[in-house]
Amino acid sequence: EVQLLESGGGLVQPGGSLRLSCAASGFTFSSYAMSWVRQAPGKGLEWVASISGSYYGTNYADSVKGRFTISRDNSKNTLYLQMNSLRAEDTAVYYCAKDHFPNVAPRYVSFNLWGQGTMVTVSS
Amino acid sequence: SYVLTQPPSVSVAPGQTARITCGGNNIGVKRVHWYQHKPGQAPVLVVHDDSDRPSGIPERFSGSNSGNTATLTITRVEAGDEADYYCQVWDISSDHLVFGGGTKLTVL
Repeated sequence: EVQLLESGGGLVQPGGSLRLSCAASGFTFSSYAMSWVRQAPGKGLEWVASISGSYYGTNYADSVKGRFTISRDNSKNTLYLQMNSLRAEDTAVYYCAKDHFPNVAPRYVSFNLWGQGTMVTVSS
Repeated sequence: SYVLTQPPSVSVAPGQTARITCGGNNIGVKRVHWYQHKPGQAPVLVVHDDSDRPSGIPERFSGSNSGNTATLTITRVEAGDEADYYCQVWDISSDHLVFGGGTKLTVL
């Protein structure tokens, strides 16, 4: 079955760190760029970061650049998001998402598969 | 940074046609994608590359894009179409992916 399964969310204090994981199955993981998208409570979708399939090029939203790191292990079919210096405004459901088509340039990206999301709460 | 503007809400009676707009500067030269998002569920891609439908998406869903406005059209609206809808593009100038603010579709 084609699916994405996030894990690693939870409650963390401001300034703390958390690492999210996204386990992929049912498709050739290394052929697809992957992304993290979040939704704060009562707010809309917000792109966080993207990573290409094989050469590992990355892009980040300005709100997380320098604090978050997206990475992947193609041997484990797993996507990661290392989140440091967390702030209250990072509180959100974090989704991992798969590009619709393999090996496409970022300007063509759309997401045809999403995980169910993992909740991250930053609070003291 | 590139901004996509959507109406906060759209209401339509069952069986009628809903049109959700997404405004952006010269958006017509970009590829626009649309997502349906229901509470507690993962978002679903309903239209990609302006007007293409992924497999499994009903023909009732269609898209267009020209000038400064992209539009998602849902014909013969059903109660199950009630959801938040988001447009999305990639902004080449900033190398950022951008979502619109979302539109809540209410089926009366």
